Amino acid sequence: EAGVAQSPRYKIIEKRQSVAFWCNPISGHATLYWYQQILGQGPKLLIQFQNNGVVDDSQLPKDRFSAERLKGVDSTLKIQPAKLEDSAVYLCASSLAGGGSTAFFGQGTRLTVV
Amino acid sequence: GQQLNQSPQSMFIQEGEDVSMNCTSSSIFNTWLWYKQDPGEGPVLLIALYKAGELTSNGRLTAQFGITRKDSFLNISASIPSDVGIYFCAGGHNRDDKIIFGKGTRLHILP
Repeated sequence: EAGVAQSPRYKIIEKRQSVAFWCNPISGHATLYWYQQILGQGPKLLIQFQNNGVVDDSQLPKDRFSAERLKGVDSTLKIQPAKLEDSAVYLCASSLAGGGSTAFFGQGTRLTVV
Repeated sequence: GQQLNQSPQSMFIQEGEDVSMNCTSSSIFNTWLWYKQDPGEGPVLLIALYKAGELTSNGRLTAQFGITRKDSFLNISASIPSDVGIYFCAGGHNRDDKIIFGKGTRLHILP
């Protein structure tokens, strides 16, 4: 079974530029998560989808971050404009919905904002 | 918001030693998860716990879901060099599938 796929693996941009990350979850997983992991810290949930609906986006900085999962499968996370403090690894994870779910992660996208 | 407290933050051990780390919360979780993260990779699921009091093993790893549902521990027996990495606990809720992570325990193995 294929795992969670993310691209790109690495991205370097200048501050105030925009960037987009893509995630394809494990087939059949209805729940998709985007986490931000700053160096030395644990993953912090940015947004959680169930199918194409948003379950929780309370920690998403909505003035600059946006995410969508239009067909309930793959998802994109966008940052516009980027700030230096957005430098982090952006992790996508997916799980079967329905309680007691365990999340499986992709390799992440390492973003460096200079 | 909810927080998970992991301890210790880091550990330095000799190869062959046993390791114990834990995770506590002020809130109840329905699921406890333990992940390992190697540099440059995403977290990899080691053990998932679904029931209070549950004790589950995966090779040299053993984890338990605390009776109060507010804590969990992970033990690694007879550590080997490839055990080096960061171990994260995570708590999950059945109601909304939200999963919250601790800050991690960094394991170092001395030569």
